[in-house]
Amino acid sequence: AQSVTQLGSHVSVSEGALVLLRCNYSSSVPPYLFWYVQYPNQGLQLLLKYTTGATLVKGINGFEAEFKKSETSFHLTKPSAHMSDAAEYFCAVSDAANAGKSTFGDGTTLTVKP
Amino acid sequence: KAGVTQTPRYLIKTRGQQVTLSCSPISGHRSVSWYQQTPGQGLQFLFEYFSETQRNKGNFPGRFSGRQFSNSRSEMNVSTLELGDSALYLCASSLDGLHMNTEAFFGQGTRLTVV
Repeated sequence: AQSVTQLGSHVSVSEGALVLLRCNYSSSVPPYLFWYVQYPNQGLQLLLKYTTGATLVKGINGFEAEFKKSETSFHLTKPSAHMSDAAEYFCAVSDAANAGKSTFGDGTTLTVKP
Repeated sequence: KAGVTQTPRYLIKTRGQQVTLSCSPISGHRSVSWYQQTPGQGLQFLFEYFSETQRNKGNFPGRFSGRQFSNSRSEMNVSTLELGDSALYLCASSLDGLHMNTEAFFGQGTRLTVV
């Protein structure tokens, strides 16, 4: 079974500050890892994904994440927060055999203060 | 390219009724997955369909069912609705849901309210 833990259900940063959203996963097989963003009353939009290869993954809107197998982590970062980054963020895990079935974390709500 | 389309966007049903939700994937996508999102349980996987066959299933009761048509459009059905079925139901489509083609595109969801 796979699981995802997102540390901190709410994160607040000032505009221009570093954004760090934490995600730890558990998987008995090599994981596929994803970060999604959800705006109110909307579906989820993929920010970035890791399947194989380079462990530092760059996504849209200036976000990136690093897969660290030894720490079972896939933290999401952005150097400088923008007001438009305020949303809910979800980390998810799947694997090659079950890629159509993702297990999601509980989500982290990011607030950006002016 | 049109995105994933879910209909209807909002739905209000009475306990005991049944409901059918529809999802039209992106053209060319053959994998369709369904998720239930609630404040208490978060995002939970319901099932995935590929080429008209259910390929994966989550831990939901048999009242939740789905199907996929030859054009990859998918429907999910919930029978004997309960208050706890009130949720945002999200559909996601991907090329084949395997290996490198895992990028899933989500629809805006159907907000189901059971009263």
